[in-house]
Amino acid sequence: GAGVSQSPSNKVTEKGKDVELRCDPISGHTALYWYRQSLGQGLEFLIYFQGNSAPDKSGLPSDRFSAERTGGSVSTLTIQRTQQEDSAVYLCASSLAPGPFSYNEQFFGPGTRLTVL
Amino acid sequence: AQSVTQLGSHVSVSEGALVLLRCNYSSSVPPYLFWYVQYPNQGLQLLLKYTSAATLVKGINGFEAEFKKSETSFHLTKPSAHMSDAAEYFCAVSEGITGFQKLVFGTGTRLLVSP
Repeated sequence: GAGVSQSPSNKVTEKGKDVELRCDPISGHTALYWYRQSLGQGLEFLIYFQGNSAPDKSGLPSDRFSAERTGGSVSTLTIQRTQQEDSAVYLCASSLAPGPFSYNEQFFGPGTRLTVL
Repeated sequence: AQSVTQLGSHVSVSEGALVLLRCNYSSSVPPYLFWYVQYPNQGLQLLLKYTSAATLVKGINGFEAEFKKSETSFHLTKPSAHMSDAAEYFCAVSEGITGFQKLVFGTGTRLLVSP
């Protein structure tokens, strides 16, 4: 079956513009995660969805960042008024619903490389 | 808060030599520990995981790791390096108790394999 897909694979934008990044999780995976990979900060957690709700948004770096998930499937990460420090690879992962004392593997997509000029 | 420290941003080995990538963790609750590999321009792939069962964990591509609670370590090893092992490797930790599996990653170690 298909893995996690992300689009676009590359995005170049000008400072101050808004961007939307899309993640299509594996069918049936109710948990969805966004991470950011940048040279200065390494791999950082951004936000976690269980179904359509986001119980943990603690990793979003500023109020310019937001994310939504509709229909328990596709998720969109939106960055408003982009800054150069937003340049990074944005990774999406999905898994079956996590539970106490159990583990369900997170499957990662190939990422979206965002470059802010 | 949980954290992971990877010693050495770069490790160089010769083909056929032992691979040892170091990872130490900090966690106030029983951790789940992971090693991921990332090839150029690709996403992360799970190599192996520790989820409180056997302390010696075997993964894909001949890699294994041993959970040592007394040393708070989870080092990754492979007896004989192959050229195709050249990639970046990330150690990660998450909580096991609550079930919320946000991953906290180390800074990564780039493995270089020379002929």
